[in-house]
Amino acid sequence: NAGVTQTPKFQVLKTGQSMTLQCAQDMNHNSMYWYRQDPGMGLRLIYYSASEGTTDKGEVPNGYNVSRLNKREFSLRLESAAPSQTSVYFCASRTGKNQPQHFGDGTRLSIL
Amino acid sequence: SQQGEEDPQALSIQEGENATMNCSYKTSINNLQWYRQNSGRGLVHLILIRSNEREKHSGRLRVTLDTSKKSSSLLITASRAADTASYFCATEDQGGKLIFGQGTELSVKP
Repeated sequence: NAGVTQTPKFQVLKTGQSMTLQCAQDMNHNSMYWYRQDPGMGLRLIYYSASEGTTDKGEVPNGYNVSRLNKREFSLRLESAAPSQTSVYFCASRTGKNQPQHFGDGTRLSIL
Repeated sequence: SQQGEEDPQALSIQEGENATMNCSYKTSINNLQWYRQNSGRGLVHLILIRSNEREKHSGRLRVTLDTSKKSSSLLITASRAADTASYFCATEDQGGKLIFGQGTELSVKP
């Protein structure tokens, strides 16, 4: 009963490096989301995928790209990491609108 | 931009006491959701209340929604040390967009 699984759990990058954060859900959910959480800022939506084959920008998409690989998997890519992208990243999924979201335990990313 | 404004930002109580957290928002919503986050973990869904509902219960949790005042409250009765966590409200609009508040940090002392 894994739910939403995020890998890796921790990562340290140097400025300019690239990296892909992985997210997989086993609940047959249609919609998947990527958030970042910074102190005092709550959660901010980066990108989301309402259904397989679609992706849309959220509130803070600059510097990120996403891929909805299949119904289960939704990855987040940082092409050229910047210190401002140091954050905790959460992936979430849900069946659809007006339903609760299920969250992974996050990826803690530090960019030096 | 953050839609949900939570109050207080931090709350410290003794075990057995009740804890009340408030959430205010600005635009019309389809539903409002409350989540809990333990330190170092992801958010866990607690309750979803729809815009046509006024009150909802789940165990020791009671959520109210006043759409005329654009506000909601979460009451945790008979709190326990294990309730120590951050609590977030999230509003969902007609398009399915979910916006989270900045959270209330609850500390329950044994």
